[in-house]
Amino acid sequence: EPEVTQTPSHQVTQMGQEVILRCVPISNHLYFYWYRQILGQKVEFLVSFYNNEISEKSEIFDDQFSVERPDGSNFTLKIRSTKLEDSAMYFCASRAISSGRGSQETQYFGPGTRLLVL
Amino acid sequence: QKEVEQDPGPLSVPEGAIVSLNCTYSNSAFQYFMWYRQYSRKGPELLMYTYSSGNKEDGRFTAQVDKSSKYISLFIRDSQPSDSATYLCAMRDSARQLTFGSGTQLTVLP
Repeated sequence: EPEVTQTPSHQVTQMGQEVILRCVPISNHLYFYWYRQILGQKVEFLVSFYNNEISEKSEIFDDQFSVERPDGSNFTLKIRSTKLEDSAMYFCASRAISSGRGSQETQYFGPGTRLLVL
Repeated sequence: QKEVEQDPGPLSVPEGAIVSLNCTYSNSAFQYFMWYRQYSRKGPELLMYTYSSGNKEDGRFTAQVDKSSKYISLFIRDSQPSDSATYLCAMRDSARQLTFGSGTQLTVLP
């Protein structure tokens, strides 16, 4: 069964450093998302991406964050200058093209990257 | 008021019990409702997806939506130890981003 994959599974970085989290969405999906989950807290939406541009972003997704689809398979989240409070699990998700109210509406999540900022 | 409220538990039941998990929401624009299962340190895994009010059944799982009361439920019949996980409700309006509940931690005891 196709699945979303993410690398690395764990990342430890120093405060102020740049990190890039990588995702390979399901191959026929066209909508891509990043979410984060701080330990013990809710899963929170960060950004959605379609047709090579951001379609929506939350207030969390400030100027230190950026997303990119550098090639036909990868989808990346870059954090330019990490802060302690960026420590969280980051999930990538993807969705097929919308075709009404069916299961194509649903988002499929990757296993996550656990980011620890020291 | 939080947009989505979910009792965090923890909930502990014996094997074979019927489990009822619930969420309430305040945003009447939410149209799509989902239940995800999340094992420890893993990504959310889609269990059920519903659009309209009413019931949807898939094996041992039944999702129920009552839009008039802004209340959704997930029932697990004949619960198994392998069902032990955190269950997240999620919903969205016409925008694509999901709004999650805080999750209910379930333990099914053998």
